[in-house]
Amino acid sequence: QLQESGPGLVTPSETLSLTCTVSGASIRTVSYSWSWIRQPPGRGLEWVANLYFDGATSYNPSLKGRVTTSADTSKNHFSLKLSSVTAADTAMYYCARNFFHLPTSGKGYFDLWGRGTLVTVFS
Amino acid sequence: EIVMTQSPATLSVSPGERATLSCRASQSVSSNLAWYQQKPGQAPRLLVHGASTTAIDIPARFSGSGSGTEFTLTISSLQSEDFAVYYCQQYNDWPPAYTFGQGTKLEIK
Repeated sequence: QLQESGPGLVTPSETLSLTCTVSGASIRTVSYSWSWIRQPPGRGLEWVANLYFDGATSYNPSLKGRVTTSADTSKNHFSLKLSSVTAADTAMYYCARNFFHLPTSGKGYFDLWGRGTLVTVFS
Repeated sequence: EIVMTQSPATLSVSPGERATLSCRASQSVSSNLAWYQQKPGQAPRLLVHGASTTAIDIPARFSGSGSGTEFTLTISSLQSEDFAVYYCQQYNDWPPAYTFGQGTKLEIK
C-alpha cells in the first residue's frame, strides 16, 4: 500500500513537499521504481518523477529544474519537492509503483497507487 | 515527447452494450501501453498492460489490443460500475518520459 502525506496548502513561490509511505514492499527492490503523478482538478494525468532502487531519478522535462525526488530507506518512504510553485501546480498528487515490463528495462506501468493528496497553491 | 491521443472524448453507451475506446500514439510505442480506469474521487486503477494483458482481478469483459501507434480498449458488455474515465499511457520512452492520453469519459446512454 502507498499513502501520501503533506500540506494541503502551499503559498505561491514556495516549495511543495510530499511524502509517500510504502507498506508491504521495499522501496529498494530492483523490479520496480516509485513514481509521482499529478492531476489538476477536472483534468488528466501527468507523470512527474521516478525514483529507482539505486537512487537514480527521472523527471518530466516540463518540470525539470523545479522537481526532485528522493528516498529514506530507513523509513521505507520517498519524497517529492517542487519549488517555485504557482497556481498551475494545484493538483491531486499521487504516488505509485512503476512496475517494469521487463526486469531490467527500467520502465513500465503503474500497478499500485496511493489514494492521492490534494495540494492547492493559494496565497 | 510521445503524444497520446484518445478518442472519443466522451462515449455514451447503454448498459449491456459493447464499448470501444481508442488511443493513438504520435510514434510507435511497440506494445508498451497500459490502460487505466478512474472513478470520481478515486485513484486510477490498472486494467491492461503490454497493450493486451489484463491486470490481476480485472473482469474478463475488459480486453486490450493493438501495437505500434493504434490501440483499443474494449468492454464487451457494460456494467453499471464501468462508467468512468479511461486513460491510456505509454511506457516506451527511455529515459522514461511517460505520457498519458487526455482520457475518454464513458457515460450511460
